[in-house]
Amino acid sequence: DAGITQSPRHKVTETGTPVTLRCHQTENHRYMYWYRQDPGHGLRLIHYSYGVKDTDKGEVSDGYSVSRSKTEDFLLTLESATSSQTSVYFCAISLASASYEQYFGPGTRLTVT
Amino acid sequence: GENVEQHPSTLSVQEGDSAVIKCTYSDSASNYFPWYKQELGKGPQLIIDIRSNVGEKKDQRIAVTLNKTAKHFSLHITETQPEDSAVYFCAAPYDSWGKLQFGAGTQVVVTP
Repeated sequence: DAGITQSPRHKVTETGTPVTLRCHQTENHRYMYWYRQDPGHGLRLIHYSYGVKDTDKGEVSDGYSVSRSKTEDFLLTLESATSSQTSVYFCAISLASASYEQYFGPGTRLTVT
Repeated sequence: GENVEQHPSTLSVQEGDSAVIKCTYSDSASNYFPWYKQELGKGPQLIIDIRSNVGEKKDQRIAVTLNKTAKHFSLHITETQPEDSAVYFCAAPYDSWGKLQFGAGTQVVVTP
């Protein structure tokens, strides 16, 4: 998994509660991404980061926020979880944007009841 | 933006036969086309990629071909084995910041 860990790996939470997912990398890659994976939709980009404190929105960013205070950590927060955010969340890293090669973490399965 | 369509959504092949998955893209400026393999319960794994300056790339039993005129690229798996059973995703970039647009995926099942 290219030195990427995600925590927690599984989480069940209730509607309306805040949730934070963590992505940690050990290889000092500049670019980090958060995706969600749902049946029939492939992988959709939520947010990405191109450096410490530099983040931007992706295709499906509504209801999500991110923070990156250190190169190695990229946090995804659901401010008030909804059932539509039940999904598998993947973090990915890339050495440089120009290369486009992205490497994925093991994923976090989130269930919002 | 980029639109990537992937076909078929499921593919069942006999062990030893070949499998072909095709993706089409919309942005003629796209220049990088990766393929990912995802096994059950794991994250997607980059298995092969091709850049727009070549038409074909091989790595052992897998190959990718690119037709820029028709805006499609394909993954070819030869001599399929049970361990090739997985979901395969294609992707194409939709901006210069490295963001990728993924296809919906193809479930490949290799039966002995």
